[in-house]
Amino acid sequence: ETGVTQTPRHLVMGMTNKKSLKCEQHLGHNAMYWYKQSAKKPLELMFVYSLEERVENNSVPSRFSPECPNSSHLFLHLHTLQPEDSALYLCASSQVRSQDGGYTFGSGTRLTVV
Amino acid sequence: GESVGLHLPTLSVQEGDNSIINCAYSNSASDYFIWYKQESGKGPQFIIDIRSNMDKRQGQRVTVLLNKTVKHLSLQIAATQPGDSAVYFCAENTNSGYALNFGKGTSLLVTP
Repeated sequence: ETGVTQTPRHLVMGMTNKKSLKCEQHLGHNAMYWYKQSAKKPLELMFVYSLEERVENNSVPSRFSPECPNSSHLFLHLHTLQPEDSALYLCASSQVRSQDGGYTFGSGTRLTVV
Repeated sequence: GESVGLHLPTLSVQEGDNSIINCAYSNSASDYFIWYKQESGKGPQFIIDIRSNMDKRQGQRVTVLLNKTVKHLSLQIAATQPGDSAVYFCAENTNSGYALNFGKGTSLLVTP
């Protein structure tokens, strides 16, 4: 248990489905992140929330929609995904602009789009 | 764009040997660097970090070396153990950036 919990651990969805990924952190951090991890590629930053405001959106398609209702929770809403969106989606948290090793990752949600 | 990358995608070492994993970065404004370890089925876990005002930092069995002149970072693992088998990522950011930029990762395999 790292202090960052992601659910579900595994998700299989059709291209017409709508689903949501959930992330919860119990570390008192004030920044949360979504990363996408595909095989043989670097972790790709998707979204950054700092103090519950979205501060970065790295050209992510609109079929991915983040939500940060409070500093402890982060969601990633998914709709009409494509098979190439299959990947491991990682949530992380930290203190804003932390340079004290404070980026803590969850175990990820393994998403398969069929 | 500027990026962080790794020299070798895989590294195989014998148990008990020392391991060295290398990383190159291109952003000269980067001032903070982290090494992460990712085991199968888990998210990345923090190993060790270093700021740009240092060139070496030691932890338990691990040492990170930073050469700002050639923009090179390395992770040394002493007396490598089977439990060290994982993918290792270097990451960097600047004091004005919000999030870390990651390299592709090196897969370390420790053989008996």
